[in-house]
Amino acid sequence: NAGVTQTPKFQVLKTGQSMTLQCAQDMNHEYMSWYRQDPGMGLRLIHYSVGAGITDQGEVPNGYNVSRSTTEDFPLRLLSAAPSQTSVYFCASRPFTGGGQRPQHFGDGTRLSIL
Amino acid sequence: KNEVEQSPQNLTAQEGEFITINCSYSVGISALHWLQQHPGGGIVSLFMLSSGKKKHGRLIATINIQEKHSSLHITASHPRDSAVYICAVARRGSNYQLIWGAGTKLIIKP
Repeated sequence: NAGVTQTPKFQVLKTGQSMTLQCAQDMNHEYMSWYRQDPGMGLRLIHYSVGAGITDQGEVPNGYNVSRSTTEDFPLRLLSAAPSQTSVYFCASRPFTGGGQRPQHFGDGTRLSIL
Repeated sequence: KNEVEQSPQNLTAQEGEFITINCSYSVGISALHWLQQHPGGGIVSLFMLSSGKKKHGRLIATINIQEKHSSLHITASHPRDSAVYICAVARRGSNYQLIWGAGTKLIIKP
C-alpha cells in the first residue's frame, strides 16, 4: 500500500551540482506532477505529465527537467543547483479522468538545501 | 492579487474551540479542495467540493459558488488538529492544474 514514494527525504547540495529526485507511484495514475513549496507561498507546479512519454511545463520549470518513461516513475532532475532552488519538493499523482475534481496523492516530500 | 486567498494565515486556539478557516477565490472553478499538511510535511486530501457541504468526523467544509468562498470548520478542536490547512481550486475548463492557496497554520493548545 505504498502510494507515492519520494526519495531522498533530505539532500544537501553545493551550487552547480546536479541530482535527481525520484518519484514512484503504484496506483496506475496517469497524471503526475512535481511541486515546490516555499515559506509563505502556495505550492508551485514545476512540471507535470499526463502519461508515459508526455510531459509539460508548469509555473516554475526553469532549472528542472523531467521525463516519464513509465506510468510509475516521474523523476525530477536539477541540472545545475542554485541556492534559489532550496525548497521542499513534492511529487503527486491522480487519475487523469475527472481532472481537477480528483484528489491528488502526495509523496512525503524531499527537503533540499543548496549551499 | 492571488487568485486563491486564505485567511487567517496563522491561527492559535485552545483545545475544544470551534475553528473556521476561510478560502476566497477569483476564478470560475469546477472544484475546490481542502488538504492538510502535518508537521513533518505529508499532505493529505481532506475534501473535494463542487457545491454545498461535506462532513467527515469533526471536519466540515462548505462552499458558496456565487460568493466564491469556502470555509473549513473544525468542531471540538484537539491538539492533533494542529497542521497547515491548504485550499486549492480547479479552474473551470482546465483539466490539469490546481491553483493553490498559501495555507493556514493552525495550532491548538491543550
